[in-house]
Amino acid sequence: GAVVSQHPSRVICKSGTSVKIECRSLDFQATTMFWYRQFPKQSLMLMATSNEGSKATYEQGVEKDKFLINHASLTLSTLTVTSAHPEDSSFYICSARDQGAGNQPQHFGDGTRLSIL
Amino acid sequence: QKEVEQNSGPLSVPEGAIASLNCTYSDRGSQSFFWYRQYSGKSPELIMSIYSNGDKEDGRFTAQLNKASQYVSLLIRDSQPSDSATYLCAARTGANNLFFGTGTRLTVIP
Repeated sequence: GAVVSQHPSRVICKSGTSVKIECRSLDFQATTMFWYRQFPKQSLMLMATSNEGSKATYEQGVEKDKFLINHASLTLSTLTVTSAHPEDSSFYICSARDQGAGNQPQHFGDGTRLSIL
Repeated sequence: QKEVEQNSGPLSVPEGAIASLNCTYSDRGSQSFFWYRQYSGKSPELIMSIYSNGDKEDGRFTAQLNKASQYVSLLIRDSQPSDSATYLCAARTGANNLFFGTGTRLTVIP
């Protein structure tokens, strides 16, 4: 079964709306979670690393004020796309791994397809 | 130089054949290697992980790792049309630094 749960799976909204995406680790605690974005026919692009209890680390070119990340608990990270515009339409995917269980792989949520009209 | 490199493909194989997917990585400190499969419009799903030199088999899948050559491969035996997807190679250095290749698109022709 899924070890990382992501919600919602799809969002369609008007330009200027802020959208929050949740990522939950199931059955394990994740001090670190990762947020990716993927445009059609392109590869995964790491946006930011979410750190529990501290600020997220953003990749170069990703606006931290535009993509707000909150990692308030060991099982939940949220990504808020603020004042979304059509160019923000993309497939957003989170991932996490059980760092307390040895050499574990990262597991991905099912992704959120964001469409801004 | 990219951390992880893959041939973007597309790679086409007939049904029942062996599909061979290759990946190289640049950081000799990488310790863990993963193959993910991503269907169009879906998120990646883990197929195989490999941590030591040699082969690791799981069903129709075999991962091969050669740390001296910094090379990872994935073999898919008896390829099926349902194997058609993009395959992502990933290498991890340290606790959190996981680097993905751009993926190889595989098409299995019935």
